[in-house]
Amino acid sequence: EAQVTQNPRYLITVTGKKLTVTCSQNMNHEYMSWYRQDPGLGLRQIYYSMNVEVTDKGDVPEGYKVSRKEKRNFPLILESPSPNQTSLYFCASSFTRNTEAFFGQGTRLTVV
Amino acid sequence: GENVEQHPSTLSVQEGDSAVIKCTYSDSASNYFPWYKQELGKGPQLIIDIRSNVGEKKDQRIAVTLNKTAKHFSLHITETQPEDSAVYFCAALEPFGNEKLTFGTGTRLTIIP
Repeated sequence: EAQVTQNPRYLITVTGKKLTVTCSQNMNHEYMSWYRQDPGLGLRQIYYSMNVEVTDKGDVPEGYKVSRKEKRNFPLILESPSPNQTSLYFCASSFTRNTEAFFGQGTRLTVV
Repeated sequence: GENVEQHPSTLSVQEGDSAVIKCTYSDSASNYFPWYKQELGKGPQLIIDIRSNVGEKKDQRIAVTLNKTAKHFSLHITETQPEDSAVYFCAALEPFGNEKLTFGTGTRLTIIP
């Protein structure tokens, strides 16, 4: 089954404790991205990657890192999480930036 | 960069009636406009998209119209059903340089049985 898999689905952590949210896709997509969803703000792009070893900042990259060492994986790293990073996070992948994006199920992160 | 505004933020319609959601964009060069539906507890899913070389696209009960001159595009859902209840997002893609979709803030559509 074609899918984008995120883990974990839910995470509660404390300020400053490094964490990684994993994202994996099985569709051989080149384009992958991370979004955060906040009430009243819609989906805002954090980082994107057009291919292996190619990543770039989206609209809200501060406090986040990503890597794209393999085509299928695109982890999101929070080196020192803060409460304002409490949000619902989605990973997405597509063949190109202007084709259908497939989203993961989301990761609800709470930073206390 | 691109700015997408979406209205209304909430919409309730009687089952069987039509629903219309409107979006405006700021960058006249944007050329790809998808619509996503997000059901409770799930990630967004593409329902229809349109490119700037066409003015209208239809898929069964769903249609999207694009007015490039006015820089707005709309989602039309006819004969609404309870399963249409969800949050809908529009988006616009800038063609050059910035490789990202800019999303609207979403519309929560509720179908009243």
